Amino acid sequence: AQTVTQSQPEMSVQEAETVTLSCTYDTSESDYYLFWYKQPPSRQMILVIRQEAYKQQNATENRFSVNFQKAAKSFSLKISDSQLGDAAMYFCAYRSANSNYQLIWGAGTKLIIKP
Amino acid sequence: DGGITQSPKYLFRKEGQNVTLSCEQNLNHDAMYWYRQDPGQGLRLIYYSQIVNDFQKGDIAEGYSVSREKKESFPLTVTSAQKNPTAFYLCASSRTGESSYEQYFGPGTRLTVT
Repeated sequence: AQTVTQSQPEMSVQEAETVTLSCTYDTSESDYYLFWYKQPPSRQMILVIRQEAYKQQNATENRFSVNFQKAAKSFSLKISDSQLGDAAMYFCAYRSANSNYQLIWGAGTKLIIKP
Repeated sequence: DGGITQSPKYLFRKEGQNVTLSCEQNLNHDAMYWYRQDPGQGLRLIYYSQIVNDFQKGDIAEGYSVSREKKESFPLTVTSAQKNPTAFYLCASSRTGESSYEQYFGPGTRLTVT
């Protein structure tokens, strides 16, 4: 069975600085998708970025980028120029390309932004 | 605006009572999901449905039931058999097919059972 591990329960960063959140996963499959979701205090879950495993290029969305290392089964999220609005829980999630669309979730990392 | 609505936002029930959480989407998505979120944990899948009149159990289906009579609606009933029902419940929907379709989430319902 696939698993997703986020080893950092909490991270903090100074406003305008860069922070990297870690995520590792375990799978025997070669085709899958990875996601980072953000859950602010409102608790609304919002997609931040996604990565298809077959793509070698790391995904980027404005200030958010990933470092996808397929062989190492690592999928970290880098947030550049951190803003106060980035404060939230961040969840890493995995979906098999062959699955019934189920997502496997990590336990989350709480990101604190220091003004 | 397209999206997912969940009602109510907060729900209080006495132990032993069944309670139904509403989830409606107007995104024309085929698939819908129910998750439970407890403090310090990731989301756990309760039930999911890929098509009307069909649904499957997730990882923690015991004590819960669902129906999918309409594409837009996927209500979740928390029965008295659920041993620890107090939690935050999230409903989601997605397209289906061979692509990295994301799941869209509703605002959630906080259920407290005393």
